[in-house]
Amino acid sequence: KAGVTQTPRYLIKTRGQQVTLSCSPISGHRSVSWYQQTPGQGLQFLFEYFSETQRNKGNFPGRFSGRQFSNSRSEMNVSTLELGDSALYLCASSLDPVNTEAFFGQGTRLTVV
Amino acid sequence: GIQVEQSPPDLILQEGANSTLRCNFSDSVNNLQWFHQNPWGQLINLFYIPSGTKQNGRLSATTVATERYSLLYISSSQTTDSGVYFCAEGIQGGSEKLVFGKGTKLTVNP
Repeated sequence: KAGVTQTPRYLIKTRGQQVTLSCSPISGHRSVSWYQQTPGQGLQFLFEYFSETQRNKGNFPGRFSGRQFSNSRSEMNVSTLELGDSALYLCASSLDPVNTEAFFGQGTRLTVV
Repeated sequence: GIQVEQSPPDLILQEGANSTLRCNFSDSVNNLQWFHQNPWGQLINLFYIPSGTKQNGRLSATTVATERYSLLYISSSQTTDSGVYFCAEGIQGGSEKLVFGKGTKLTVNP
């Protein structure tokens, strides 16, 4: 079966713009979580969605937001982009919040110039 | 908060050598996963191993939950094993889905 699909794979944006990233989980998986990877901070948890509701959020400013649709697909949005938002954004899917085994997509590499 | 520490941070091997990567975690674990990050950035699942021992080909992993550590063994390493290996701890009902260590960068030379 298909894995986790993230689009787009690469993005270049200008400071101040906003960006939307998409993640389609494995069929049957209903929990989607997002992570930011940077050389300085490593892999950090952004948020998790289940049943179209945000369950928890990491230590990120309000410029980072997300949502989940009824088909479990999820989007994350970053507004008023800063240079420091340049990172690899990874999405993971799990069966549900209780089952924490996670499977990752290929990521979206965002560059802010 | 939850802390995950990996060692060593860097490891350089000759092809054919064996290696052991360690992951220490700070809390009672519901989920301990090992990943290999490929050159394109994707995290590839190696093991989901909250406790016990599992093997998959040349790779095996052991988690001793009571002592809060996990080991990843790579035998007869190949150049394709190069990359960064991450362990991640998941706490059911925790504030974060997964907490990652900083990774071990493995370089296997021919």
